[in-house]
Amino acid sequence: EIVLTQSPATLSLSPGERATLSCRASQSVSSYLAWYQQKPGQAPRLLIYDASNRATGIPARFSGSGSGTDFTLTINSLEPEDFAVYYCQQCSNWLTFGGGTKVEIK
Amino acid sequence: EVQLLESGGGLVQPGGSLRLSCAASGFTFSTFAMSWVRQAPGKGLEWVSAISPSGISTFYADSVKGRFTISRDNSKNTLYLQMSSLTAADTAVYYCAKSADGHTENSFDYWGQGTLVTVSS
Repeated sequence: EIVLTQSPATLSLSPGERATLSCRASQSVSSYLAWYQQKPGQAPRLLIYDASNRATGIPARFSGSGSGTDFTLTINSLEPEDFAVYYCQQCSNWLTFGGGTKVEIK
Repeated sequence: EVQLLESGGGLVQPGGSLRLSCAASGFTFSTFAMSWVRQAPGKGLEWVSAISPSGISTFYADSVKGRFTISRDNSKNTLYLQMSSLTAADTAVYYCAKSADGHTENSFDYWGQGTLVTVSS
């Protein structure tokens, strides 16, 4: 099983700042990595697929990069609605999720 | 508009069974793989099971293999999850999720709102 490790567990930032979230895979997943956003009481929402492609309707301030084992989700200029938990998911060798990073208001 | 509506959750005793349903609309259900993903209270996401568009191929996480059965009725645009031998560790919100294409190993572009399963005596 491919294990995804997300860091940091919690990121405390102010609106307008840039958020940089990391996801590291225990073995290469090529570019088969997705990012999701989840707000309290809501279902996850797909943000990024295939490591760097924004899903439909996702604002341009969200971007993904990386390949192999190291991936990054960047949120430029945080908006109030961006404070949430973010999960990465690999779909190279079945389906596993990372433990999540909570982006909270500082 | 794509919609996924889960139902069937509730309180069940340890060792009991439950069947979840997910009614899909707004897309050609029979051409997309589907999955169930669960989230224990206060925890992260865990993929549970996936099914191919035709329903011929099914896949399970080790944690549920032999106890859960995924199925679909393409004539009714409905996905199912039959759960048996339930334990407290199965307590979670269960989400129905649509794969981005016909492959079971893919990202999920739409999710249902979830249905809560609580296993407790």
